[in-house]
Amino acid sequence: DIQMTQSPSSLSASVGDRVTITCRARQTISNYLNWYQQKPGEAPRLLIYAASTLQSGVPSRFSGGGSGTHFTLTIRSLQPEDFATYYCQQSYTGRTFGQGTKVDIK
Amino acid sequence: QVQLVQSGAEVKKPGASVKVSCKASGYTFDTYAISWVRQAPGQGPEWMGWLSGYNGYPTYAQQFQGRVTMTRDTSTSTAYMELRSLRYDDTAVYFCAREGSGTYQFDYWGQGTLVTVSS
Repeated sequence: DIQMTQSPSSLSASVGDRVTITCRARQTISNYLNWYQQKPGEAPRLLIYAASTLQSGVPSRFSGGGSGTHFTLTIRSLQPEDFATYYCQQSYTGRTFGQGTKVDIK
Repeated sequence: QVQLVQSGAEVKKPGASVKVSCKASGYTFDTYAISWVRQAPGQGPEWMGWLSGYNGYPTYAQQFQGRVTMTRDTSTSTAYMELRSLRYDDTAVYFCAREGSGTYQFDYWGQGTLVTVSS
């Protein structure tokens, strides 16, 4: 299995802040990297696939970057509805999720 | 619109089996793979395996090999996941998810099925 490591594991931010979450793969995964948002009691929601492609319906303040082993998810101006847990996931070999990054209100 | 609707919550005793269903609608069922993902309380998602859309062939994550079976019924557009020899640490919400074209992203999810293992 390809191990995925996210950082930080949690962060506190204010509405309007720019937030960046990092995800590293233990080996190269090309651009087979997806990002999800999850709120309590809900299924994860796809935000970004293929490292940088915005899923239909997702606000443009979300963006993804990177390739190989190092990836980022950036939220340009944090909105109240963005407080949630974010997961990266590789789909290069099998499927593995990162441990998650919880974004809460400062 | 694409929908995945799962069966209801289950309570099982240790050593028993559970079978969860996932009924798809709004798209051609046999053109997309279905993955199964579980999430234990307070933990991140854990991938269990997937069913090929093309031929229904399953691929299981190593940690579930020998204990899980994934099948489908194309006549009813329904996927199934059976987990055997249940343990207390199998208590989790089990999700089915469609794998989109591109980088096999999980683009649509079921609502989740809570499986509780308790004596």
